[in-house]
Amino acid sequence: AQSVAQPEDQVNVAEGNPLTVKCTYSVSGNPYLFWYVQYPNRGLQFLLKYITGDNLVKGSYGFEAEFNKSQTSFHLKKPSALVSDSALYFCAVRDDTPLVFGKGTRLSVIA
Amino acid sequence: DAGITQSPRHKVTETGTPVTLRCHQTENHRYMYWYRQDPGHGLRLIHYSYGVKDTDKGEVSDGYSVSRSKTEDFLLTLESATSSQTSVYFCAISERGDSATQYFGPGTRLTVL
Repeated sequence: AQSVAQPEDQVNVAEGNPLTVKCTYSVSGNPYLFWYVQYPNRGLQFLLKYITGDNLVKGSYGFEAEFNKSQTSFHLKKPSALVSDSALYFCAVRDDTPLVFGKGTRLSVIA
Repeated sequence: DAGITQSPRHKVTETGTPVTLRCHQTENHRYMYWYRQDPGHGLRLIHYSYGVKDTDKGEVSDGYSVSRSKTEDFLLTLESATSSQTSVYFCAISERGDSATQYFGPGTRLTVL
């Protein structure tokens, strides 16, 4: 069965610094990997996904993620964090069954 | 929110009462999903639908039923609500069931007293 782990409940970063939100996964076949963001009292918004091809995926709001098959990871990154990036971030994975979500990582960007 | 509405947006009910949540989409997507979001658990799939009258169970389906009589509507029913079903419920849609992106509605906050 597929699974996904977000090892950090909370990530704090100073505005202007690079940020990384970690995600590792486990699947039996080839994974489809997704990142979503949730702002307070809102639904989840799609950021980016990896299906196949280039291991570096670029998404919305300047975010990108790198697929690493050997480390079974799909970490979310941004070169320069903004206070407005503060939110809850979810990684999700699927192979042959519906999406499985991680428990989420709360990102706090401090001015 | 990608043409997805959920109703009601907030509901408070008592233990043992039936509750129905509605998800409505204007995107004509084939797949629809119901999730619940709880602190420390992320999002967990309750049920999903891959077409009119075609549904399947998710990870946490006990105590829930669903129906889809037309493409645009997906109903989630709690036959007899319990306090453990207090949660935020999200509906999502996708064009396909494989690598297609899921788009989420605004959510329904349900409190069972």
